[in-house]
Amino acid sequence: DAGVIQSPRHEVTEMGQEVTLRCKPISGHDYLFWYRQTMMRGLELLIYFNNNVPIDDSGMPEDRFSAKMPNASFSTLKIQPSEPRDSAVYFCASSPTDQPQHFGDGTRLSIL
Amino acid sequence: DAKTTQPPSMDCAEGRAANLPCNHSTISGNEYVYWYRQIHSQGPQYIIHGLKNNETNEMASLIITEDRKSSTLILPHATLRDTAVYYCIVRVGLNTGTASKLTFGTGTRLQVTL
Repeated sequence: DAGVIQSPRHEVTEMGQEVTLRCKPISGHDYLFWYRQTMMRGLELLIYFNNNVPIDDSGMPEDRFSAKMPNASFSTLKIQPSEPRDSAVYFCASSPTDQPQHFGDGTRLSIL
Repeated sequence: DAKTTQPPSMDCAEGRAANLPCNHSTISGNEYVYWYRQIHSQGPQYIIHGLKNNETNEMASLIITEDRKSSTLILPHATLRDTAVYYCIVRVGLNTGTASKLTFGTGTRLQVTL
Protein backbone atom coordinates (compact mmCIF):
# COMPACT_ATOMS: atom_id res chain seq x y z
CA ASP A 1 0.00 0.00 0.00
CA ALA A 2 1.22 3.50 -0.76
CA GLY A 3 2.08 5.49 2.32
CA VAL A 4 1.76 9.21 2.88
CA ILE A 5 3.35 10.96 -0.08
CA GLN A 6 4.95 14.36 0.25
CA SER A 7 6.41 16.61 -2.40
CA PRO A 8 8.87 18.01 -3.03
CA ARG A 9 11.40 16.07 -0.93
CA HIS A 10 13.75 19.02 -0.95
CA GLU A 11 13.10 22.72 -1.56
CA VAL A 12 15.62 25.53 -1.61
CA THR A 13 14.38 29.04 -2.22
CA GLU A 14 15.19 32.62 -1.43
CA MET A 15 13.71 34.66 1.37
CA GLY A 16 10.47 36.34 0.41
CA GLN A 17 9.37 33.68 -2.05
CA GLU A 18 6.18 31.70 -1.71
CA VAL A 19 6.64 28.04 -0.79
CA THR A 20 4.01 25.34 -1.24
CA LEU A 21 4.39 21.91 0.30
CA ARG A 22 2.11 19.09 -0.79
CA CYS A 23 0.76 15.98 0.84
CA LYS A 24 -1.28 13.00 -0.30
CA PRO A 25 -2.64 11.07 2.69
CA ILE A 26 -3.31 7.35 2.77
CA SER A 27 -6.63 6.57 1.15
CA GLY A 28 -9.41 6.16 3.68
CA HIS A 29 -7.69 8.11 6.43
CA ASP A 30 -9.92 10.88 7.69
CA TYR A 31 -7.32 12.79 9.70
CA LEU A 32 -4.38 14.72 8.28
CA PHE A 33 -1.62 16.40 10.26
CA TRP A 34 1.18 18.84 9.43
CA TYR A 35 4.32 18.88 11.64
CA ARG A 36 7.54 20.84 11.57
CA GLN A 37 10.88 19.55 12.88
CA THR A 38 13.90 21.68 13.78
CA MET A 39 16.94 21.02 15.92
CA MET A 40 15.93 23.72 18.37
CA ARG A 41 12.25 22.90 18.83
CA GLY A 42 12.00 19.24 17.85
CA LEU A 43 8.84 17.92 16.22
CA GLU A 44 5.85 20.28 16.55
CA LEU A 45 2.26 19.89 15.38
CA LEU A 46 1.21 22.82 13.21
CA ILE A 47 -2.37 21.98 12.20
CA TYR A 48 -4.65 19.04 11.68
CA PHE A 49 -7.76 18.32 9.62
CA ASN A 50 -10.68 15.95 10.06
CA ASN A 51 -12.68 15.13 6.94
CA ASN A 52 -10.97 18.02 5.14
CA VAL A 53 -11.96 20.55 7.82
CA PRO A 54 -9.25 22.29 9.90
CA ILE A 55 -9.77 21.36 13.55
CA ASP A 56 -6.83 22.88 15.39
CA ASP A 57 -4.39 25.37 13.90
CA SER A 58 -2.99 26.61 17.21
CA GLY A 59 0.48 25.40 16.23
CA MET A 60 0.68 27.53 13.09
CA PRO A 61 3.46 30.00 13.88
CA GLU A 62 2.02 33.10 12.23
CA ASP A 63 -0.15 34.44 9.43
CA ARG A 64 2.52 33.73 6.85
CA PHE A 65 1.57 30.06 7.18
CA SER A 66 -1.64 28.65 5.74
CA ALA A 67 -2.91 25.14 5.11
CA LYS A 68 -5.72 23.81 2.99
CA MET A 69 -7.32 20.47 2.29
CA PRO A 70 -9.55 20.85 -0.79
CA ASN A 71 -10.37 17.13 -0.89
CA ALA A 72 -9.70 13.89 0.93
CA SER A 73 -6.61 13.07 -1.10
CA PHE A 74 -4.67 16.31 -1.08
CA SER A 75 -3.42 18.99 1.28
CA THR A 76 -1.05 21.94 0.99
CA LEU A 77 0.97 23.95 3.45
CA LYS A 78 1.91 27.36 2.14
CA ILE A 79 4.40 29.91 3.46
CA GLN A 80 4.19 33.42 2.04
CA PRO A 81 6.50 35.24 2.35
CA SER A 82 9.14 32.75 3.45
CA GLU A 83 11.91 33.63 5.91
CA PRO A 84 15.20 31.88 6.80
CA ARG A 85 13.79 30.84 10.20
CA ASP A 86 11.19 28.75 8.37
CA SER A 87 13.94 26.35 7.33
CA ALA A 88 13.01 22.94 8.71
CA VAL A 89 11.74 19.50 7.77
CA TYR A 90 7.97 19.51 7.32
CA PHE A 91 6.11 16.25 7.82
CA CYS A 92 2.62 15.27 6.85
CA ALA A 93 0.85 12.40 8.61
CA SER A 94 -2.55 10.76 8.28
CA SER A 95 -4.64 8.36 10.32
CA PRO A 96 -8.05 6.78 10.56
CA THR A 97 -10.10 7.88 13.57
CA ASP A 98 -8.46 6.82 16.83
CA GLN A 99 -5.65 4.92 15.12
CA PRO A 100 -1.88 5.58 15.03
CA GLN A 101 -0.59 8.17 12.64
CA HIS A 102 1.41 7.30 9.55
CA PHE A 103 4.05 9.82 8.51
CA GLY A 104 5.49 10.76 5.15
CA ASP A 105 9.23 11.15 4.63
CA GLY A 106 9.02 14.92 4.87
CA THR A 107 10.04 17.96 2.86
CA ARG A 108 13.40 19.47 3.74
CA LEU A 109 12.98 23.21 3.29
CA SER A 110 15.87 25.66 3.14
CA ILE A 111 15.21 29.38 2.91
CA LEU A 112 18.29 31.38 1.93
CA ASP B 1 -1.35 14.91 28.08
CA ALA B 2 1.12 13.55 30.64
CA LYS B 3 4.81 14.40 30.35
CA THR B 4 7.35 11.64 29.69
CA THR B 5 11.02 11.31 30.62
CA GLN B 6 13.49 9.25 28.60
CA PRO B 7 17.28 8.87 28.71
CA PRO B 8 18.86 10.92 25.93
CA SER B 9 20.90 8.06 24.51
CA MET B 10 21.60 4.33 24.77
CA ASP B 11 23.85 1.81 23.08
CA CYS B 12 23.05 -1.79 22.27
CA ALA B 13 25.06 -4.56 20.65
CA GLU B 14 23.58 -6.07 17.52
CA GLY B 15 21.64 -9.24 18.25
CA ARG B 16 21.02 -8.30 21.87
CA ALA B 17 17.76 -7.03 23.33
CA ALA B 18 17.36 -3.27 23.51
CA ASN B 19 15.37 -2.12 26.53
CA LEU B 20 14.27 1.50 26.33
CA PRO B 21 12.75 2.96 29.50
CA CYS B 22 10.18 5.73 29.83
CA ASN B 23 8.82 7.42 32.93
CA HIS B 24 5.31 8.85 32.89
CA SER B 25 4.50 9.28 36.57
CA THR B 26 1.60 11.70 35.96
CA ILE B 27 -0.25 9.46 33.52
CA SER B 28 -4.03 9.48 33.83
CA GLY B 29 -6.30 6.46 33.79
CA ASN B 30 -7.50 7.05 30.24
CA GLU B 31 -4.08 7.78 28.72
CA TYR B 32 -2.24 5.33 26.52
CA VAL B 33 1.50 4.90 26.08
CA TYR B 34 2.62 5.15 22.47
CA TRP B 35 6.04 4.49 20.99
CA TYR B 36 7.32 5.89 17.72
CA ARG B 37 10.79 5.89 16.24
CA GLN B 38 12.51 8.10 13.71
CA ILE B 39 15.28 6.73 11.58
CA HIS B 40 17.62 9.36 10.14
CA SER B 41 16.05 11.33 7.29
CA GLN B 42 12.71 9.57 7.58
CA GLY B 43 9.38 10.40 9.14
CA PRO B 44 8.42 8.97 12.53
CA GLN B 45 7.23 5.37 12.44
CA TYR B 46 4.61 3.93 14.76
CA ILE B 47 5.85 0.95 16.79
CA ILE B 48 3.36 -0.06 19.45
CA HIS B 49 0.94 1.27 22.07
CA GLY B 50 -0.78 0.05 25.22
CA LEU B 51 -2.98 1.04 28.13
CA LYS B 52 -2.10 -1.24 31.03
CA ASN B 53 -1.48 -4.71 29.71
CA ASN B 54 1.78 -5.75 28.14
CA GLU B 55 1.66 -5.72 24.36
CA THR B 56 3.66 -7.46 21.65
CA ASN B 57 3.72 -7.14 17.89
CA GLU B 58 6.11 -8.02 15.10
CA MET B 59 8.34 -5.07 15.90
CA ALA B 60 8.57 -4.92 19.67
CA SER B 61 7.14 -5.60 23.11
CA LEU B 62 5.79 -3.01 25.52
CA ILE B 63 5.96 -3.65 29.24
CA ILE B 64 3.92 -1.29 31.42
CA THR B 65 4.35 -1.39 35.20
CA GLU B 66 1.36 -2.20 37.34
CA ASP B 67 1.07 1.40 38.61
CA ARG B 68 1.47 2.59 34.99
CA LYS B 69 4.05 5.17 35.99
CA SER B 70 6.71 3.75 33.71
CA SER B 71 7.13 1.48 30.73
CA THR B 72 9.83 -0.28 28.73
CA LEU B 73 10.01 -0.83 25.01
CA ILE B 74 11.86 -4.01 24.14
CA LEU B 75 13.42 -4.74 20.77
CA PRO B 76 14.22 -8.44 21.25
CA HIS B 77 17.06 -8.77 18.73
CA ALA B 78 18.35 -5.36 17.77
CA THR B 79 19.89 -4.87 14.34
CA LEU B 80 21.83 -1.97 12.86
CA ARG B 81 18.63 -0.86 11.14
CA ASP B 82 17.07 -0.23 14.56
CA THR B 83 19.42 2.70 15.12
CA ALA B 84 17.02 5.60 15.54
CA VAL B 85 15.49 8.09 17.96
CA TYR B 86 12.72 6.44 19.98
CA TYR B 87 9.87 8.56 21.30
CA CYS B 88 7.61 7.61 24.19
CA ILE B 89 4.33 9.56 24.09
CA VAL B 90 1.39 9.55 26.43
CA ARG B 91 -1.98 10.69 25.15
CA VAL B 92 -5.68 10.23 25.60
CA GLY B 93 -6.38 7.08 23.73
CA LEU B 94 -8.89 5.25 21.70
CA ASN B 95 -12.65 5.57 21.53
CA THR B 96 -12.55 9.28 22.18
CA GLY B 97 -13.86 10.13 18.75
CA THR B 98 -11.07 12.64 18.31
CA ALA B 99 -7.73 12.58 16.59
CA SER B 100 -4.57 11.88 18.48
CA LYS B 101 -2.54 15.03 19.02
CA LEU B 102 0.93 13.66 19.50
CA THR B 103 3.38 15.70 21.55
CA PHE B 104 6.91 14.56 20.80
CA GLY B 105 9.65 15.05 23.38
CA THR B 106 13.35 14.66 22.73
CA GLY B 107 13.32 10.86 22.79
CA THR B 108 16.14 8.35 23.25
CA ARG B 109 18.80 8.03 20.59
CA LEU B 110 19.51 4.29 20.30
CA GLN B 111 22.78 3.34 18.66
CA VAL B 112 23.08 -0.32 17.70
CA THR B 113 26.67 -1.40 17.20
CA LEU B 114 28.44 -4.45 15.79
